[in-house]
Amino acid sequence: KNEVEQSPQNLTAQEGEFITINCSYSVGISALHWLQQHPGGGIVSLFMLSSGKKKHGRLIATINIQEKHSSLHITASHPRDSAVYICAVVETSGSRLTFGEGTQLTVNP
Amino acid sequence: GAGVSQSPSNKVTEKGKDVELRCDPISGHTALYWYRQSLGQGLEFLIYFQGNSAPDKSGLPSDRFSAERTGGSVSTLTIQRTQQEDSAVYLCASGLALPNEQFFGPGTRLTVL
Repeated sequence: KNEVEQSPQNLTAQEGEFITINCSYSVGISALHWLQQHPGGGIVSLFMLSSGKKKHGRLIATINIQEKHSSLHITASHPRDSAVYICAVVETSGSRLTFGEGTQLTVNP
Repeated sequence: GAGVSQSPSNKVTEKGKDVELRCDPISGHTALYWYRQSLGQGLEFLIYFQGNSAPDKSGLPSDRFSAERTGGSVSTLTIQRTQQEDSAVYLCASGLALPNEQFFGPGTRLTVL
């Protein structure tokens, strides 16, 4: 069992739909990161969370430390949101990121 | 400002050859990470440098892999006697120490024939 699990693995949506990607983890963490990997391979950091909720434009990330769960929401999705979204955690005692397998999002016009 | 750069962007080599991959982090970033992403797979941690501390090498898959970071800046990942299973995209990231944000380079795509 992976320490970080994401669902769904693949997600197809129509433009304008509200999207949720989930991340569950099994270890104690000091922070959780959401990353976006574009089709060309470049990786961009979207959020770093240690509690609560953060919002940036149409993206919202939440984390529940007690339940060891985080969600990434995209409102009014657009084809340019098509990418792989990766959840990664920083273990409390660790010095590295542990990654989920990623969620492939495709938004159709 | 300049982001993290990596070179080469693509490298094709023959099985058994040695390769060197380079990472230029963002100036002032004390932390530098190497990751590997095999085709269709998730990201895998390889090695972590933080300031002048001894690097965390616990992710290196075999003793054929090594890395150094000179002067707290540029880093080189070396793979000796490459094998076909080493084919992957090798990504470098830099930042301040975790849990802070990391900034990723574009990666080096390594193909071992």
